[in-house]
Amino acid sequence: TQLLEQSPQFLSIQEGENLTVYCNSSSVFSSLQWYRQEPGEGPVLLVTVVTGGEVKKLKRLTFQFGDARKDSSLHITAAQPGDTGLYLCAGVNYGGSQGNLIFGKGTKLSVKP
Amino acid sequence: NAGVTQTPKFQVLKTGQSMTLQCAQDMNHEYMSWYRQDPGMGLRLIHYSVGAGITDQGEVPNGYNVSRSTTEDFPLRLLSAAPSQTSVYFCASSYWDGGTDTQYFGPGTRLTVL
Repeated sequence: TQLLEQSPQFLSIQEGENLTVYCNSSSVFSSLQWYRQEPGEGPVLLVTVVTGGEVKKLKRLTFQFGDARKDSSLHITAAQPGDTGLYLCAGVNYGGSQGNLIFGKGTKLSVKP
Repeated sequence: NAGVTQTPKFQVLKTGQSMTLQCAQDMNHEYMSWYRQDPGMGLRLIHYSVGAGITDQGEVPNGYNVSRSTTEDFPLRLLSAAPSQTSVYFCASSYWDGGTDTQYFGPGTRLTVL
């Protein structure tokens, strides 16, 4: 069974601080996705990383896929209260034309003004 | 486009009752799936469908049935509700662009089984 371990589980920081969330597995994935979920809503896709070593930037968010495609990280620079939410990583394996997602348990981020 | 819609938003059932959670998408996506989200457990795949008439089991299928008669609709049926099925249920649809797929989630149904 493939598992994705996310750390930390909870993170409470002040506005302006930097933070990094980690997503680790012993399995190799075809790609890895990061989602953000706000209370009472469904997850929303932030980014998909496909190539080992790939780095993608989305404004203040930087996503990295490990060289071996087993791990990923999300770094937020100068966090803002609007970044508050549950961050989920999901590993994708393509058995055919589309893949099923395996989710980590999430990192609950709270950014205080 | 409405995207992925789910009804109802909230539901309370008694043990043993049956019900159907509705899911519809208007994006003409072939792939649809159902997840449940429990505290500390992340999202777990219940059932999925790669197209009309085709369904398959995910990680936690017991106690749930699905069917896919049209591309747009993918209902999830609870045959005899149990307290262990208390959860938040998300439906998702996705398209494949030849390299990766982009998943769109509905707003969820919060189910409590007493």
